[in-house]
Amino acid sequence: GDSVTQMEGPVTLSEEAFLTINCTYTATGYPSLFWYVQYPGEGLQLLLKATKADDKGSNKGFEATYRKETTSFHLEKGSVQVSDSAVYFCALTANKAAGNKLTFGGGTRVLVKP
Amino acid sequence: GAGVSQSPRYKVAKRGQDVALRCDPISGHVSLFWYQQALGQGPEFLTYFQNEAQLDKSGLPSDRFFAERPEGSVSTLKIQRTQQEDSAVYLCASSLTLAVADTQYFGPGTRLTVL
Repeated sequence: GDSVTQMEGPVTLSEEAFLTINCTYTATGYPSLFWYVQYPGEGLQLLLKATKADDKGSNKGFEATYRKETTSFHLEKGSVQVSDSAVYFCALTANKAAGNKLTFGGGTRVLVKP
Repeated sequence: GAGVSQSPRYKVAKRGQDVALRCDPISGHVSLFWYQQALGQGPEFLTYFQNEAQLDKSGLPSDRFFAERPEGSVSTLKIQRTQQEDSAVYLCASSLTLAVADTQYFGPGTRLTVL
């Protein structure tokens, strides 16, 4: 079945450091890929997405590139802020007729210290 | 505009009790999803509706779990004879269309604790 594997946290960084969160997937066909973020006390919200190979999703300074050859969708940000402290989830929807249910990774907690 | 809302936000049940969790999706959204999120883990799919039709219930863990969306808007997830392993956050999400890459908007979740 479809699955998503992402690096375990917590990841602790200093402000202005570079952030990378690794994500790899297994899926049949050509999935769409997503990063969702959960800030403390808030619900899950979409951060960015990519729908086909070599697409780059970007938002709020975060980027991720859909790499079909390595089945990866790593999340990066060049200079993190304290406000980026959150739990980040990589997810996919498989290209199937029965709806766009999300398959999530286990989440990576990121803590940015001033 | 209003997002996805869920009620109650917190529910404590004694083992063996029945519970009902409500989801109000964004108005006009065709698709509605339920997910279960155990502590420290990613959400896991439970079931999916397209309007009032339940098209996929492959993620429901047992026949104690039942979901409905009778008029194609509000949905209720019901858990009968709750067990301790049912303790989790139950998330509802909706999306405007059926497109595979369409954004899902999540509610704040209902945290269920079974004693």
